[in-house]
Amino acid sequence: AQSVTQPDIHITVSEGASLELRCNYSYGATPYLFWYVQSPGQGLQLLLKYFSGDTLVQGIKGFEAEFKRSQSSFNLRKPSVHWSDAAEYFCAVGWFTGGGNKLTFGTGTQLKVEL
Amino acid sequence: DGGITQSPKYLFRKEGQNVTLSCEQNLNHDAMYWYRQDPGQGLRLIYYSQIVNDFQKGDIAEGYSVSREKKESFPLTVTSAQKNPTAFYLCASSIDQQAYEQYFGPGTRLTVT
Repeated sequence: AQSVTQPDIHITVSEGASLELRCNYSYGATPYLFWYVQSPGQGLQLLLKYFSGDTLVQGIKGFEAEFKRSQSSFNLRKPSVHWSDAAEYFCAVGWFTGGGNKLTFGTGTQLKVEL
Repeated sequence: DGGITQSPKYLFRKEGQNVTLSCEQNLNHDAMYWYRQDPGQGLRLIYYSQIVNDFQKGDIAEGYSVSREKKESFPLTVTSAQKNPTAFYLCASSIDQQAYEQYFGPGTRLTVT
């Protein structure tokens, strides 16, 4: 069965430091992978997605992610974190079912940014 | 402005009462979804609908019901049979049943006491 693991529940970084959030997935076929961000009490906003092609994908707000098939990973990175990046980040894998396509989400990583 | 609206933002109910959460979209999307979010558990799929007048159970459908009479609307009813209804509920949509990318509404926080 498909699953997504985000091993870090909380991460704290200083403003201006680099960031990497980890995501590992389990899915038998070619994965469709997503990163979403959620501010407190808000809905989810799509940061970036991977469907095929170049394994390094660029997203909004200066984020990027790299798909590594051999490691079943899709880690999110940002070279220099801003205080406004403090939020919860969710990795998701898209998969096909008989009733249509679905997303399975990880449990999220809460990012705190120290000024 | 196209998007998904959920109302109300906060909802309070007494135990034993049914409550309906609203979800409306003007994106002309065919597919719509309801998720439940609890701290530390990510998002769990309750129900989804790929087309008007059709919907399927997700992973945690017990105690919930939905309808899809119009393309734009996908209301969720939390019934008294749902044992732990207090949660943050998110509605999402996608262009059609072939699409994987989903767009989310702002959510409704339901508190049942």
